[in-house]
Amino acid sequence: DAKTTQPPSMDCAEGRAANLPCNHSTISGNEYVYWYRQIHSQGPQYIIHGLKNNETNEMASLIITEDRKSSTLILPHATLRDTAVYYCIAPIYNQGGKLIFGQGTELSVKP
Amino acid sequence: GAGVSQSPSNKVTEKGKDVELRCDPISGHTALYWYRQSLGQGLEFLIYFQGNSAPDKSGLPSDRFSAERTGGSVSTLTIQRTQQEDSAVYLCASRSRNTNTEAFFGQGTRLTVV
Repeated sequence: DAKTTQPPSMDCAEGRAANLPCNHSTISGNEYVYWYRQIHSQGPQYIIHGLKNNETNEMASLIITEDRKSSTLILPHATLRDTAVYYCIAPIYNQGGKLIFGQGTELSVKP
Repeated sequence: GAGVSQSPSNKVTEKGKDVELRCDPISGHTALYWYRQSLGQGLEFLIYFQGNSAPDKSGLPSDRFSAERTGGSVSTLTIQRTQQEDSAVYLCASRSRNTNTEAFFGQGTRLTVV
């Protein structure tokens, strides 16, 4: 069901920016891009979502390309606690309302 | 409550016993989901409730699994005659009726069948 493509894993040095890419080339015009993360042994946590414009909150920034076929989640100063699996989801629900998760990117932040 | 609450947080049961897992969604959320996650694996959809509509049960792995949602709020996932392969973290999520809003997850119930 998932219609996004993410690299399976990435490393990032502590204190540096983590840039996590996502391809969602089949996204429709009114479908949002959502990002969640799952820290080991915890439930998934909502991070951010956007439609066309770039978005920023206290956790991260979301950059969406003009054609909306891809996006990048940016953690500006990664910490060891940001080590998690990051899920890019677009659309977040299928036509039946089911919540869709792909395989995500496993981000390892290293000291 | 501020978030989705699940209980118990941990459950150890003997093979062949029945278990009930509880989910308290965020107040006012009409949609409720159950997922499970085996060790090192992704999220596996189990069942989805939306308001008074018939639930989407397409993810339930066998007839030993069932779920109900009483009064449009609390949900209970029941596993009968548990097997060792049922060991996993069972996650519940809820969202409002608006499909352009995020879903919120509980912290899950870790089920271990011995």
